[in-house]
Amino acid sequence: DADVTQTPRNRITKTGKRIMLECSQTKGHDRMYWYRQDPGLGLRLIYYSFDVKDINKGEISDGYSVSRQAQAKFSLSLESAIPNQTALYFCATQAGRGELFFGEGSRLTVL
Amino acid sequence: KNEVEQSPQNLTAQEGEFITINCSYSVGISALHWLQQHPGGGIVSLFMLSSGKKKHGRLIATINIQEKHSSLHITASHPRDSAVYICAVPGGGADGLTFGKGTHLIIQP
Repeated sequence: DADVTQTPRNRITKTGKRIMLECSQTKGHDRMYWYRQDPGLGLRLIYYSFDVKDINKGEISDGYSVSRQAQAKFSLSLESAIPNQTALYFCATQAGRGELFFGEGSRLTVL
Repeated sequence: KNEVEQSPQNLTAQEGEFITINCSYSVGISALHWLQQHPGGGIVSLFMLSSGKKKHGRLIATINIQEKHSSLHITASHPRDSAVYICAVPGGGADGLTFGKGTHLIIQP
């Protein structure tokens, strides 16, 4: 099993729908991140969490929310999806300021 | 915010060639990450380094803190090395990382 698991891997939805992307990890890491990747752009930080109940906005948090339900789980929600949120989303974990571990990515298409 | 520039953006080479990918950043850092993203999309960490040089198999990463520059080298390149290589540094303005746009490497047989 992967150390960092994202579900779903692929999702097609319609404008206005609520979408949740889930991330779980078995590394025991304290830090968890949600990133978005668009063609021609680098990975951009949406939200991050350094512990349960700790939630911090990244550079592109508008239109997104997150929940850190347990140390191992970090969920990203799109309350009302719009087409420009079509992207590849990555969850990542990190122990302190150490090496990063990424999930396989969730490809979201908003029609 | 730390600005990250990678070069080249695209690189096509023949199998066996020595490959160099460069990364420059604008603000001093504690450590730099090199990542690899295969066509399927998954991202794996190759190196995290704060000084000098690290080697793993045919991959070598170097960093010059004073010049704010890092290089990733691949010796005896192979088609399976075809991927996007991304460098990342602290200083994303939100205690996260700032990522380069990546170098798209294709190794032809």
